[in-house]
Amino acid sequence: GQQLNQSPQSMFIQEGEDVSMNCTSSSIFNTWLWYKQDPGEGPVLLIALYKAGELTSNGRLTAQFGITRKDSFLNISASIPSDVGIYFCAGRFGNEKLTFGTGTRLTIIP
Amino acid sequence: EPEVTQTPSHQVTQMGQEVILRCVPISNHLYFYWYRQILGQKVEFLVSFYNNEISEKSEIFDDQFSVERPDGSNFTLKIRSTKLEDSAMYFCASKVIAGGPKDTQYFGPGTRLTVL
Repeated sequence: GQQLNQSPQSMFIQEGEDVSMNCTSSSIFNTWLWYKQDPGEGPVLLIALYKAGELTSNGRLTAQFGITRKDSFLNISASIPSDVGIYFCAGRFGNEKLTFGTGTRLTIIP
Repeated sequence: EPEVTQTPSHQVTQMGQEVILRCVPISNHLYFYWYRQILGQKVEFLVSFYNNEISEKSEIFDDQFSVERPDGSNFTLKIRSTKLEDSAMYFCASKVIAGGPKDTQYFGPGTRLTVL
């Protein structure tokens, strides 16, 4: 089945630093989504990407849909304490299920 | 802003018992999903539901699982005879449309199922 590998698995950064994480797949997707999950809660959509090469921003977040349709990255600029959480990429081919990545846990060091 | 709701937030059950997890999708949405997340792992697709029938299901969604939309607002996941390995967070999701820029799934807060 389709698998998404996310890297890094975890990040420890200081407040104010920029963050970059990415997701790669062995197969193509026609939609890439980035979600954030706080402990004990459901995934919350951050950014959705629908076309290869698309670059989309949402405040301090920027994500890109790779040209090959097999990868995507998410950048967070000037991190703040509420950015702490687990970030998941998710891909979709067709109209139905989402395949989720393995997650990147972001921790901000005081 | 409309949101997906789920009840209960936490369900504890004995192995072999039946459980029903409930979801109220966003009111104008037409596509419904269940996912699960074992503690510390990634979110996994279980089943999708559209037009009162299952449109896709994963290998996890075996004969012990069933879904139903009993009325115009609820969407339920039933596990007939729970096993220890069914312990996980179960997320309901919904979306309004298939295809195009509005094709986005919105997730509920989840139900934590603990099987003892």
